[in-house]
This record gives sequence, C-alpha cells and structure tokens, in this order.
Amino acid sequence: SQKIEQNSEALNIQEGKTATLTCNYTNYSPAYLQWYRQDPGRGPVFLLLIRENEKEKRKERLKVTFDTTLKQSLFHITASQPADSATYLCALDTKGGADGLTFGKGTHLIIQP
Amino acid sequence: GAVVSQHPSRVICKSGTSVKIECRSLDFQATTMFWYRQFPKKSLMLMATSNEGSKATYEQGVEKDKFLINHASLTLSTLTVTSAHPEDSSFYICSARRGGTVPERPQETQYFGPGTRLLVL
Repeated sequence: SQKIEQNSEALNIQEGKTATLTCNYTNYSPAYLQWYRQDPGRGPVFLLLIRENEKEKRKERLKVTFDTTLKQSLFHITASQPADSATYLCALDTKGGADGLTFGKGTHLIIQP
Repeated sequence: GAVVSQHPSRVICKSGTSVKIECRSLDFQATTMFWYRQFPKKSLMLMATSNEGSKATYEQGVEKDKFLINHASLTLSTLTVTSAHPEDSSFYICSARRGGTVPERPQETQYFGPGTRLLVL
C-alpha cells in the first residue's frame, strides 16, 4: 500500500541551528512533492514544491531536496528562529495537480531560544 | 493574492442536524476545490474533489450522501454534513487550485482555507 512517513513526530532544535525534516514514501511515483507549514487550528500554508526531475530547491532560509531513488525528501530550515516553530507537512501528488494531495502526518518542530 | 476563506470558522451542533460549510476563493477563480478533514494529531485526509459544474469525486470510504458537496461557481464550494453525529466532529479544511500560473507559485499548488472546527454534541 502507499505510505508517506515523516520520521519524527516532534523535533526540538536550538535557535540558530539548522532543522532537517525527513519525508519518505513507498509505492508512489510522485510527479512532485510539496512542503507545507501548519500552525495549530489553521489550514496548511504552502512553502515549496519540488518536481521529480529536480534535485534541490531553495527559498530564503528553506531548502528542499528530492531523491526519487531513495524515495525521500529532506526539508531544511537554516538559521532557525522560534517563529519557525510549527508542524511541517510533506504532501505528494501523482497526477499533476488533478487530484487532491496525500499528506504525511507531519513533524512538529520546536525551535528553542 | 490567492486567498481562500471558510465559513463558519467553528460550529457546534446537535446530533442529527445538518451543517453547511462554505469555501470561497476570494481573488481568483478556482477550477478545482478539494475538501479535507483532519482529526487531532493526524494528517489531513482528502475527502473529495469538487469541480465547478460537475459532480464531486469522493475518496474511498467517504459517503457521498453523508457529505454533500456543491460547487456552484468558480469561487464557491460548499460541504454539507448531513445528519451529523459525534464521530463527524473534526477539522474540515478546503483548498482551491487556481487556473493559470502565478510567478513563483507552481500551478499545481493548492491554496488552503483556514479550516472549520465542527463539534457535534
């Protein structure tokens, strides 16, 4: 069966360090992978999308890698700040946006001052 | 730009009543809207895909007669939870996929609403 796993339910990182979150999937061939941020009681907010033919994508302090051989994406936040504390979700779409997304369970990131 | 709103933000109702949740794309036309629900500490689960002017496509295990979806225009989709029961209590979130492209925002991305918290007593 298809599965998306985000390796940690919770991750505590000291302010200023780099936070690295992992998303692994099985039995999928995604056209692309997306990362979202979700704050408590709110809807997800889009952060980055990376396509199957891309290795890396950056946006300000965020970096995403995508390894279709390992079936894994890594999400990095550099120079982390307490305001980065939130739940981060990875999501897959195998049909080019025509269908809804399949989400991982999320990783709750806590940046400690 | 690309704001999606939901109304109401939270609702409490008695068991057996019906509840309607609205999802609106405020500044763009949404070719497709999606409905998700999220239980506490769980992932978002896709319930159905809603295309303007046609019947919604439901995911396996989601009862179409229980969760009625109407997508009457390119900016509005509604989800009606009929004969709600306590087990329907959840966080319901809609998203919209816009037609056309936006710089730095791939066409495939979805814009999510703020969610509606439903509590059925």
